[in-house]
Amino acid sequence: DAGVIQSPRHEVTEMGQEVTLRCKPISGHNSLFWYRQTMMRGLELLIYFNNNVPIDDSGMPEDRFSAKMPNASFSTLKIQPSEPRDSAVYFCASSFAGRGQYFGPGTRLTVL
Amino acid sequence: SQELEQSPQSLIVQEGKNLTINCTSSKTLYGLYWYKQKYGEGLIFLMMLQKGGEEKSHEKITAKLDEKKQQSSLHITASQPSHAGIYLCGADRNGGSQGNLIFGKGTKLSVKP
Repeated sequence: DAGVIQSPRHEVTEMGQEVTLRCKPISGHNSLFWYRQTMMRGLELLIYFNNNVPIDDSGMPEDRFSAKMPNASFSTLKIQPSEPRDSAVYFCASSFAGRGQYFGPGTRLTVL
Repeated sequence: SQELEQSPQSLIVQEGKNLTINCTSSKTLYGLYWYKQKYGEGLIFLMMLQKGGEEKSHEKITAKLDEKKQQSSLHITASQPSHAGIYLCGADRNGGSQGNLIFGKGTKLSVKP
């Protein structure tokens, strides 16, 4: 099993640019989670999907953030326009029937 | 809202020593998860506890959930440099069972050879 796959692993962009992060969950998992991790705030849940449907997006910072899950094997997190304060490591995780979440390696985003 | 507090925040131990990390919840825990993270990498799932008094072990790591289901501990026996990293506890948010977790801030473990 390849585990959760995220791309890109690193992204450096300039303020105002659009950023798209991608995630492929573990095959057969029915829940997908997007997190952001910073030194100051720790690990924060942004949004999660169950069976491709967004269930809770209360953690999404503001309208600049959007997430989609068009099918069971793919999800995107988009930031438009990006700001320096969005710099963080973004993790995607998936789970099946709530039995523990399996995390991807993360995308380290730097917004200059 | 539910919060998870981990202690200590950081820990430095000599190789071969035992250690314990604690995770305390402000509300009853319905599912408690332990993860390990190495710098710059994703979280690795270690164990999940659900029942009061439950205890699970994997190699030299043992996790327990107290009877009242508000505190969990992670114990490492005879620590090794490979145990170094950040340990995070996570819990089902508001008693849910969909794997929607909140996390503690983590405990940074360093093991001196």
